[in-house]
Amino acid sequence: LAKTTQPISMDSYEGQEVNITCSHNNIATNDYITWYQQFPSQGPRFIIQGYKTKVTNEVASLFIPADRKSSTLSLPRVSLSDTAVYYCLVPDSGAGSYQLTFGKGTKLSVIP
Amino acid sequence: ETGVTQTPRHLVMGMTNKKSLKCEQHLGHNAMYWYKQSAKKPLELMFVYNFKEQTENNSVPSRFSPECPNSSHLFLHLHTLQPEDSALYLCASSQEGIGLAGVGETQYFGPGTRLLVL
Repeated sequence: LAKTTQPISMDSYEGQEVNITCSHNNIATNDYITWYQQFPSQGPRFIIQGYKTKVTNEVASLFIPADRKSSTLSLPRVSLSDTAVYYCLVPDSGAGSYQLTFGKGTKLSVIP
Repeated sequence: ETGVTQTPRHLVMGMTNKKSLKCEQHLGHNAMYWYKQSAKKPLELMFVYNFKEQTENNSVPSRFSPECPNSSHLFLHLHTLQPEDSALYLCASSQEGIGLAGVGETQYFGPGTRLLVL
């Protein structure tokens, strides 16, 4: 049963790069790592997913070291609208099914 | 707009009322989910449906009754709720809830229903 650990909160000024690191020491060989973003009173929104090394899309980058026991979400030049909770997830693989279990996430506050 | 809609967006009900939450997805997905998000707590998975069949029930009290008439619609019937059931109820869908092991399918969430039980 994979479990993730990430900081409860982070603060950043506008225009800075933000890196949020997540630990997942018990990640299984086949597990991907997925990050979601949630604004207040809205449902979570998929940001990025990766398996190893580096993945980049128009929103963020995801860095995964060779041992895959952690991952880092990188948000370039954040703005006030990036203030949200960011969740790192790995599947809860079980017999015949799997689920994505959301932890408490990291609350990012972007300061003007 | 994620392709998942929920109605109503806000609901206030008494403990003796019966109400239903509705979720509809326009993505052609085969799996649908109900989550509960209470203030300052993580999202809690309540129910999972794959191809209209319930595959997960995470020890949810019987006062919550899900219904999935087809792959596009999901309901959550509520009766004799308690004030502690006040929360944001989120619906999500994914291509197939039981898929490639370890991939962790992307879930698409609706905007949620904010429920207040008095």
